[in-house]
Amino acid sequence: DAGITQSPRHKVTETGTPVTLRCHQTENHRYMYWYRQDPGHGLRLIHYSYGVKDTDKGEVSDGYSVSRSKTEDFLLTLESATSSQTSVYFCAISESGSLISTDTQYFGPGTRLTVL
Amino acid sequence: QKEVEQNSGPLSVPEGAIASLNCTYSDRGSQSFFWYRQYSGKSPELIMSIYSNGDKEDGRFTAQLNKASQYVSLLIRDSQPSDSATYLCAVGSGNFNKFYFGSGTKLNVKP
Repeated sequence: DAGITQSPRHKVTETGTPVTLRCHQTENHRYMYWYRQDPGHGLRLIHYSYGVKDTDKGEVSDGYSVSRSKTEDFLLTLESATSSQTSVYFCAISESGSLISTDTQYFGPGTRLTVL
Repeated sequence: QKEVEQNSGPLSVPEGAIASLNCTYSDRGSQSFFWYRQYSGKSPELIMSIYSNGDKEDGRFTAQLNKASQYVSLLIRDSQPSDSATYLCAVGSGNFNKFYFGSGTKLNVKP
């Protein structure tokens, strides 16, 4: 998984509780992404980061926040979890991200989150 | 909204046959295209990338790109049961390297 770990790997929580998922990389890549994967929807981008403390919203960002205080760590927080946030969450990293070129994204092992 | 469309399948092929997976995309400005393979319960892994029109071959895999038709495909020759997985098409935007994914095509290779 290209030096990417996610924690926890599985979590069950209750509606209304806060949840934080962690993505840790050892590749020193600048770009990091959080996706969710649901049946019939493929992978959808939640938030992404293009450097320490530089983050922006993806296509499904409502109800989620992120933080990146170090190059290697990207945290995804569900401030008040809802059942609609039950999903598999993947972190991805990419070395480059210039305006004129794109680079492969490598994925972590995923976190399966269930909100009851 | 940048859309990437794939037939969800399942696509069933016999062992040894050629599997053909297709993907269309809406953003004409897209410059990079990727195919990922995802086994059940696992994370996506890169199979192929392609950036210019035409074919790109890597072992049993061939990616084909037609930007005029906004179409990208993946051919798998001599399909094996181990190729049974969901194949995700991803289209890259140069702006912060954001990817847009199709919902995936499930491939079943029957022995």
